[in-house]
Amino acid sequence: SQKIEQNSEALNIQEGKTATLTCNYTNYSPAYLQWYRQDPGRGPVFLLLIRENEKEKRKERLKVTFDTTLKQSLFHITASQPADSATYLCALYTPNTGFQKLVFGTGTRLLVSP
Amino acid sequence: DAGVTQSPTHLIKTRGQQVTLRCSPISGHKSVSWYQQVLGQGPQFIFQYYEKEERGRGNFPDRFSARQFPNYSSELNVNALLLGDSALYLCASSEDPAMNTEAFFGQGTRLTVV
Repeated sequence: SQKIEQNSEALNIQEGKTATLTCNYTNYSPAYLQWYRQDPGRGPVFLLLIRENEKEKRKERLKVTFDTTLKQSLFHITASQPADSATYLCALYTPNTGFQKLVFGTGTRLLVSP
Repeated sequence: DAGVTQSPTHLIKTRGQQVTLRCSPISGHKSVSWYQQVLGQGPQFIFQYYEKEERGRGNFPDRFSARQFPNYSSELNVNALLLGDSALYLCASSEDPAMNTEAFFGQGTRLTVV
């Protein structure tokens, strides 16, 4: 069966450290993968998109890697801050003719302590 | 520029009732998608509309329907509400579903069925 797995347990780290979140998938062949941030009671906010032919993408303190052999994406936040505390969702896009269906993982909650 | 706007933000309905949720996409975006997010889970795809036509449908019963208007705004209708329909309903807009771009989400409508 198709699955997207993210750590269900919250990740607790100290301010200034690097947070690393994992997204593993099975039985998908995604054309690209996206990471979103979601705060309680709010809609997801887009952070980064990485395509199947890209290994790594960076944006400011954020870095995403995509390994289609391992079927895994890693999401890194360097120099983490308490304001980074939120739930982070990975989403896969698998090509379907004419429409864009994102398949989301359950998300990992990140808590950054001062 | 206004982002994706959804109304209402909160709604309480009784089992068996019908509900209509509304979404206005970002100006210039012609595609609207609807997602359901149950507490503790990632968003699940319900529908995508582009240029007023349904482009894709997720694994939801026929009680769920939607439409898109000439101004690209959209409505999601749910009939014969069940307790299990309680969730955050998210609307996402994008430029063109055939383009691999990010989705911009609204703040969601929190539907509670009692």
